[in-house]
Amino acid sequence: NAGVTQTPKFQVLKTGQSMTLQCAQDMNHNSMYWYRQDPGMGLRLIYYSASEGTTDKGEVPNGYNVSRLNKREFSLRLESAAPSQTSVYFCASSERQPNQPQHFGDGTRLSIL
Amino acid sequence: EDKVVQSPLSLVVHEGDTVTLNCSYEVTNFRSLLWYKQEKKAPTFLFMLTSSGIEKKSGRLSSILDKKELFSILNITATQTGDSAIYLCAVEVFIIMKTSYDKVIFGPGTSLSVIP
Repeated sequence: NAGVTQTPKFQVLKTGQSMTLQCAQDMNHNSMYWYRQDPGMGLRLIYYSASEGTTDKGEVPNGYNVSRLNKREFSLRLESAAPSQTSVYFCASSERQPNQPQHFGDGTRLSIL
Repeated sequence: EDKVVQSPLSLVVHEGDTVTLNCSYEVTNFRSLLWYKQEKKAPTFLFMLTSSGIEKKSGRLSSILDKKELFSILNITATQTGDSAIYLCAVEVFIIMKTSYDKVIFGPGTSLSVIP
């Protein structure tokens, strides 16, 4: 059971570089999410996608873009990386019904120098 | 503004101790409260609580919700070193937007260390 798969697991970038974090789920979930996790701040929602073809901003969307490529895949793009975006990024998915827990990937540790 | 607060933020106990982790919240349109355990990687789901006063139990872990006082506790009895992790509390709220969805707000987590 793969569940939610994120790539890469680690990445170091220079300020101003761009990159895309990939996420895929095999649970046929409609909803997908991108979070960042920083020490002492819990998980903060960057963007979410309630279904294929739709995306909406979360709590901290600035500096990021997303694409819901199909039902399985939801990518997060940093167009011009900044040191403040150094974080651990988690992708999650869930059924689009009330009271359904989210399932998380193993995270991508991203460092911006 | 919706918020979720956890206490303590960190805790060190000896094996065999019992611990209680706290989660309080202030949100509109509450739907459920969730507890996750996060070891080195992905948070893993523990409990979902929707009704006050009904205890959820899984082995040595249990949790209960008080919707009147807006808090939940997670108890771990007879702790083991394998219980060392960050415990995340999250509250699900319903938001009606152009694409209505259930927003999940996470607390900062409690870092639990269990020493032999």
